[in-house]
Amino acid sequence: EVQLVESGGGFVQPGGSLRLSCAASGFTFSEYWMHWVRQAPGKGLVWVARIRSDGSMTNYVDSVTGRFTISRDNAENTLHLQMNSLRAEDTAVYYCVRQGVAADFDYWGQGTLVTVSS
Amino acid sequence: QSALTQPASVSGSPGQSIAISCTGTSSDVGAYNYVSWYQQYPGKAPKLIIYEVSNRPSGVSNRFSGSKSGSTASLTISGLQAADEADYYCISYTHRTTTTWVFGGGTKLAVL
Repeated sequence: EVQLVESGGGFVQPGGSLRLSCAASGFTFSEYWMHWVRQAPGKGLVWVARIRSDGSMTNYVDSVTGRFTISRDNAENTLHLQMNSLRAEDTAVYYCVRQGVAADFDYWGQGTLVTVSS
Repeated sequence: QSALTQPASVSGSPGQSIAISCTGTSSDVGAYNYVSWYQQYPGKAPKLIIYEVSNRPSGVSNRFSGSKSGSTASLTISGLQAADEADYYCISYTHRTTTTWVFGGGTKLAVL
């Protein structure tokens, strides 16, 4: 059974940093592209970042470019999102998502809440 | 403002059919068959229900179907049930920007 379990969310002041992690199991992690998608309270889904299966390529939504870094450890089956210079508008539930072979998002974690506030 | 346009809400009665549209451009929905649909209950993670425009993952009811015409994709739910009341999102691959993926703003389905 595919499982994606996020951790690392919490409360942080503007300008602060957080590192999210996603523990993957039930599939060959190193064969899949992985993504982070976020959802602000009461709002829609927003794609944040993606990383190639071998970690050699990354892409980001413009609003987080230069502040967030997606990375992965294929030996540990773990996905990370390093978030720096956090802003109030980064407040959201962050989902770890697997990209399926049909260019879809076939498995989602349960999400971890990040709250940025003074 | 989302890149893909969905109606904010739709409603229907049990047993009826409804359709949710997802309008993009020639750079995303109109260019690729990489349109997928997701169902999300309050407080829960989204669930994939349609991929590549019209394919259903294993275990998804055949009451859910997808289609596309030009730059508009559609999700149809037939034989509406109370359990279908949820938010629905469309997602498309895009070559428009480095963003790569564009999302719809979501549609709240009410089963009256």
